[in-house]
Amino acid sequence: AQSVTQLDSQVPVFEEAPVELRCNYSSSVSVYLFWYVQYPNQGLQLLLKYLSGSTLVKGINGFEAEFNKSQTSFHLRKPSVHISDTAEYFCAVSDVHTGGFKTIFGAGTRLFVKA
Amino acid sequence: DGGITQSPKYLFRKEGQNVTLSCEQNLNHDAMYWYRQDPGQGLRLIYYSQIVNDFQKGDIAEGYSVSREKKESFPLTVTSAQKNPTAFYLCASSIVPANTGELFFGEGSRLTVL
Repeated sequence: AQSVTQLDSQVPVFEEAPVELRCNYSSSVSVYLFWYVQYPNQGLQLLLKYLSGSTLVKGINGFEAEFNKSQTSFHLRKPSVHISDTAEYFCAVSDVHTGGFKTIFGAGTRLFVKA
Repeated sequence: DGGITQSPKYLFRKEGQNVTLSCEQNLNHDAMYWYRQDPGQGLRLIYYSQIVNDFQKGDIAEGYSVSREKKESFPLTVTSAQKNPTAFYLCASSIVPANTGELFFGEGSRLTVL
């Protein structure tokens, strides 16, 4: 069975500092990988996705992530964060064979950006 | 603008009452989903529907029911059998075929049982 582990439940960081939010997954088959962002009392918005091809994926708002198949990781990074990046971030994985009907989400990482 | 509309945004319910959450999409997506979100637990799948008049149970379907009479609509009923219904409920949709798992979400409905 697939699972997703987000290694940090909360990440505090100062404004303009770099940040990395970690995500590891377990799966016996090929996967699609996603990062979503959620602002308070709102739905989730797609930040970026890995479907195939280049392992370095760029998304919106200056975020990027790197797919590492050998380490089964998909860590999210931003070189310089802003106060407006304060939100909860979810890593998600789906099986390429069953598609999106059984997407699995991590527990989320709450990013706090301090002035 | 295309998107997913959930209503109501906030809902209060007394124990023993059923409540229905609305989800409407104008993205022309075939697949629709309901997720439950609890603090520190991520999102858990309640039900999903691939096409009209068809739906499947997710991981936590007990105490919930759905219908899919129209492509645009996928309402969720939280029944009195759901033992702990207080949560944030998210509706989503996706493109089929080539369903990669990329999901488009509504703004959510927060249900509180008094």
